[in-house]
Amino acid sequence: NAGVTQTPKFRILKIGQSMTLQCTQDMNHNYMYWYRQDPGMGLKLIYYSVGAGITDKGEVPNGYNVSRSTTEDFPLRLELAAPSQTSVYFCASRPPGQGSGEKLFFGSGTQLSVL
Amino acid sequence: AQSVTQLGSHVSVSEGALVLLRCNYSSSVPPYLFWYVQYPNQGLQLLLKYTSAATLVKGINGFEAEFKKSETSFHLTKPSAHMSDAAEYFCAVSDRDTGFQKLVFGTGTRLLVSP
Repeated sequence: NAGVTQTPKFRILKIGQSMTLQCTQDMNHNYMYWYRQDPGMGLKLIYYSVGAGITDKGEVPNGYNVSRSTTEDFPLRLELAAPSQTSVYFCASRPPGQGSGEKLFFGSGTQLSVL
Repeated sequence: AQSVTQLGSHVSVSEGALVLLRCNYSSSVPPYLFWYVQYPNQGLQLLLKYTSAATLVKGINGFEAEFKKSETSFHLTKPSAHMSDAAEYFCAVSDRDTGFQKLVFGTGTRLLVSP
């Protein structure tokens, strides 16, 4: 099993450009999450999904969109990139079960710079 | 709303010394609590979790944490630090108010281990 795979690993965008961060998992996990990590701020939840066709906002959803057409894939879309979106983005998934007692499996991250 | 506070953005110890990383939580209902570790340029990995069973929880790599309801704390300890423990540590919480679907992270504590 590959686990949670994120692409690309690094990307530089110009202000106003758009891009999609890809995330795929091969563990048949229902729950998937997108977090951003900024220095000294910990991880902030952007969007999450409890299954194909179902998504919901997290703490910091503005400027982002997501879709979940399959169990495996959970892409994150930036429509009009802004410098405030410079961050490291992590995708995570977890198996179905009772609450969040099961651990999250994280991808290795995407480092995005908007200049 | 659920939240966690990690006291100290950096903690420095000598190899062989006690490690103590502090975490206090805020939740109106009994929470699930977690400690995650992040090594450089990697995603987060679960160290241990509290899900309302035993209050003293043992995790990987010799770490343990104790849930203290009266103090709303879930501090992480290790009796003897090793150089390989140098990393960033995150406390996290989820609770019934969000259906245990979302994990909220603290701002992290970087552990520095000197020879």
